[in-house]
Amino acid sequence: DSGVTQTPKHLITATGQRVTLRCSPRSGDLSVYWYQQSLDQGLQFLIQYYNGEERAKGNILERFSAQQFPDLHSELNLSSLELGDSALYFCASSPPPPQREYGEQFFGPGTRLTVL
Amino acid sequence: AQKVTQAQTEISVVEKEDVTLDCVYETRDTTYYLFWYKQPPSGELVFLIRRNSFDEQNEISGRYSWNFQKSTSSFNFTITASQVVDSAVYFCALSEAPTRYGGATNKLIFGTGTLLAVQP
Repeated sequence: DSGVTQTPKHLITATGQRVTLRCSPRSGDLSVYWYQQSLDQGLQFLIQYYNGEERAKGNILERFSAQQFPDLHSELNLSSLELGDSALYFCASSPPPPQREYGEQFFGPGTRLTVL
Repeated sequence: AQKVTQAQTEISVVEKEDVTLDCVYETRDTTYYLFWYKQPPSGELVFLIRRNSFDEQNEISGRYSWNFQKSTSSFNFTITASQVVDSAVYFCALSEAPTRYGGATNKLIFGTGTLLAVQP
């Protein structure tokens, strides 16, 4: 158990809908990362937050947005869903310096999204 | 640009055979981290190892060993005496090394993964 929690575990929805995925990082970790794993794109970095602020953006669609709240949990919002958005969405967290594990990422169990 | 290549899409071995998973990376950074993750059929990503770019010492952990060669930009992973429980997808990943003050993004760039099937 990495200490990172993600809810829900599974989500089934229809095209055009909007969903919210939630992530709680490990205690003390300030960075949260979101990754998407799909059959055609593989494992891709979407976005990173550090202590409430957006730090880096990857291949994240405009229909997707994220935020990190004062308690450091993060939410990934996916809207106007398409069939191709079906994927496994991972959240990861990492601690700040000077912790020994600084630079490592601890992954949650993922949320499997199915768009029908 | 950073890139990780895992040329082996699928490998099938019989239990107790040794198997090596290849990983080649590209980066312009002078310091960086390399990782291996395991993804079993249950889907979670399990951290196996992190290697800092200025530490080229090879590492062994039980049946697992890693060979880091900066000269060829490779970070290969060997499983000795493979077992059925080793069946999984294995990902190699690269990130820039974090700065002392936390300024780096540290996003992971993953390879496409190698599916290892160990037959009994």
